Amino acid sequence: AQSVAQPEDQVNVAEGNPLTVKCTYSVSGNPYLFWYVQYPNRGLQFLLKYITGDNLVKGSYGFEAEFNKSQTSFHLKKPSALVSDSALYFCVHKAAGNKLTFGGGTRVLVKP
Amino acid sequence: DTAVSQTPKYLVTQMGNDKSIKCEQNLGHDTMYWYKQDSKKFLKIMFSYNNKELIINETVPNRFSPKSPDKAHLNLHINSLELGDSAVYFCASSQGRGSNTEAFFGQGTRLTVV
Repeated sequence: AQSVAQPEDQVNVAEGNPLTVKCTYSVSGNPYLFWYVQYPNRGLQFLLKYITGDNLVKGSYGFEAEFNKSQTSFHLKKPSALVSDSALYFCVHKAAGNKLTFGGGTRVLVKP
Repeated sequence: DTAVSQTPKYLVTQMGNDKSIKCEQNLGHDTMYWYKQDSKKFLKIMFSYNNKELIINETVPNRFSPKSPDKAHLNLHINSLELGDSAVYFCASSQGRGSNTEAFFGQGTRLTVV
């Protein structure tokens, strides 16, 4: 079965510090991996994706993610977190047939 | 212009009622979805349509019936609403049946069954 896991329910970080949100995957075939962010009472917004090519992908709002095949991970990172980055983050795998499988989500709280 | 729009944004209704949620996308995408987000924020796919054809139908009660009159619209009709149907329902769209395109989501419809 295709799955993605986010081992942390919540991540707390001080503003200006690096932010990392972890994701591991278990999929057959090529992993098509995405990160989405959900702000309170809002829909989901696409941040970035890994399809093929460079393992380091850059996305919106200064976020980037590193695809690591040996560790089956796709961690989301931001060098310097902002209070406005506080939100719910989802790691997502997209399988053939366009089925999106979501991780459980990680709530990020950036404190001033 | 809103890319994926859902109406209504909030819906409060009594058990046993029938209700519909509408979704429209103006991105020219050929694939549309319905997702359910439960109280713990977990998201799960319910349905997916490609060019008006149903391609994904997860284990959803048959009280839920999607309808796609054209590529730009995917509505969700729910019969005999139950308390457990309370959730946030998200519509989304993407282009093509390939796996490398991102999906765009609507703002969600918060359904509360009382």
